[in-house]
Order: sequence, then structure tokens, then C-alpha cells
Amino acid sequence: DAGVTQSPTHLIKTRGQQVTLRCSPKSGHDTVSWYQQALGQGPQFIFQYYEEEERQRGNFPDRFSGHQFPNYSSELNVNALLLGDSALYLCASSSAADTQYFGPGTRLTVL
Amino acid sequence: GEDVEQSLFLSVREGDSSVINCTYTDSSSTYLYWYKQEPGAGLQLLTYIFSNMDMKQDQRLTVLLNKKDKHLSLRIADTQTGDSAIYFCADSGGYNKLIFGAGTRLAVHP
Repeated sequence: DAGVTQSPTHLIKTRGQQVTLRCSPKSGHDTVSWYQQALGQGPQFIFQYYEEEERQRGNFPDRFSGHQFPNYSSELNVNALLLGDSALYLCASSSAADTQYFGPGTRLTVL
Repeated sequence: GEDVEQSLFLSVREGDSSVINCTYTDSSSTYLYWYKQEPGAGLQLLTYIFSNMDMKQDQRLTVLLNKKDKHLSLRIADTQTGDSAIYFCADSGGYNKLIFGAGTRLAVHP
């Protein structure tokens, strides 16, 4: 049984560009949450998707948006990239509000 | 607002016990979690405790919860070099939104 998968593994972008990160949840999970982890810090909650709707959002600007598909996979989009968006982006899946299991993350570098 | 605090660094000798401490502010937490992160990797769920429990033991791991003081600890018995990693305490907010501490870096030396 595959766990949570994320793609790509690494990504390099320049300021002002847009990026899309992808996440496939663990089998049987219907909820996807996204977190940003800056270097040396703990993960910060971005938002959570359930039944293709954004259910909850953390303190992130509108440049951060997402989507959940009918198969429960999810995308995180970031527009107008800033240097400060460089981080490890983690996806976590769960069954409703149950325990979250994390993927390996996507390392985004903004130059 | 919700906040989780941890000490940043712990160094122990191989074979000793490690105790990692965490404090949180949200009194409505349902579950509290411990995750482990190795260099360049995602977060691995270690264990969790329901907020109405005082203690949970899982093999070498013991979690203690003092709800009155909002204090959580993780004890690792017989610490091994493979336990060297960053350990995150996380508090579950609404819909299980996780609030993480900054992480405790555990260094295990011979």
C-alpha cells in the first residue's frame, strides 16, 4: 500500500513565477492538508481540502491556492513567487479529521 | 493564539534515555502528536495521545501528558544512533489542523 506521494521532489523557480505542486494521498484517505516548512522551523499549516472544498486555511496570502480532485489527490499553487517562499512543502493525508500521514515533501527554491 | 514550544537541542549518550519536552496553549486539543524528521525527509508519525489520557507506552516510546500544565513529553528508552533526528510535537486544532513546535534536534553520541 503506497503512502502519501508528492511530486516533484525538487523545484527551482525565479521570483515572480508560478509553481504547482502535487500530492496523492494514502489509499483510503479523503482529506489532504498542506504545510510549509522553512529551514530550521516547524511546519506551518497552509490549508486543508475535503470533498474538493477548502475546509480550513492558515495565515497565508491568496497567492497560495489549491485544488482537490475527485480521486482525492491535490495540488498546491503558488503565484508571484517570492524569495521567502523557498521551503519544504509537505502534504499530509488523513481520513476526515483523523491522524495525518505525511509525504516526503517538495523542496522549492526561489532564486 | 495557539502556540507550541519545545527546547531546540538535546544530546544523549547511546543507551541512555532521552526526554523531549513540549508545552502547548490550546486547551481544546483532542490529540497531541509526536513526529520524527530525518535530514531531507518528510515527517514520520511516531505516536500520539488522546487528550483524556495521562500516559501512553509504545515499545521504546513513552508519552506523558499533564493537561493541567499543558505539558507533553516523549521519552525514548535505550536511545540508539538511529534515533538522531528532529522531533516535533504537534497540537491538533479544529479539523485536526496541526500546530507544530520548532522541533527538538536529538543528537546521540557513542
